[in-house]
Amino acid sequence: EVQLVQSGAEVKKPGESLKISCKGSGYSFTSYWIGWVRQVPGNGPEWMGIIYPGDSDTRYSPSFQGQVTISADKSTSTAYLQWSGLKASDTAMYFCARHDSTGFGDYWGQGTLVTVSS
Amino acid sequence: DIQMTQSPSSLSASVGDRVTITCRASQGISHYLAWFQQKPGKVPKLLIYAASTLQSGVPSRFSGSGSGTDFTLTISSLQPEDVATYYCQKYNSVPKTFGQGTKVEIK
Repeated sequence: EVQLVQSGAEVKKPGESLKISCKGSGYSFTSYWIGWVRQVPGNGPEWMGIIYPGDSDTRYSPSFQGQVTISADKSTSTAYLQWSGLKASDTAMYFCARHDSTGFGDYWGQGTLVTVSS
Repeated sequence: DIQMTQSPSSLSASVGDRVTITCRASQGISHYLAWFQQKPGKVPKLLIYAASTLQSGVPSRFSGSGSGTDFTLTISSLQPEDVATYYCQKYNSVPKTFGQGTKVEIK
């Protein structure tokens, strides 16, 4: 069974760094892209970027380029989303999703709520 | 970047009604379009991919059509459990942009 399990909710202060995770199981982790999606409460989902764990090829949405870093560790079948200096506007739910070979998200993680507040 | 525009932004219909949601891409995306259903506090659920292919386990009252720039999601007979927000997403290239959503309610 394909599963993506994300790390737990985080509460951080502005300026702090953060790395959240998404662990895949039940499939060949290195053979599928994994993407990240942001959803601010009350708003629609926003596609952030995607990584191919097999070779770490990474693509970002222009809206998120330079704002976050996406990475993956093949040895632990885990993808990551990180910030070096959080802002209050980063407060949102973040989802990871495995992408089918043609490019759509077929399996999703349960989401990680990130709250940034002073 | 290609923009995805959904209409309407919300709708209210009776149980048993046929419901249609439209998604328009600002440039052609062939058939690389997916539809998701999201209930409050839940993870988006894939309903349809490749514009018209029903994801396994999704009720057959859901259907999708279209190609190029204009796409449609149809619920043939609205059920109470279909109350949700529906999003289209293009995935032919990055960024894989979502539409702004259509909120479906029961009248």
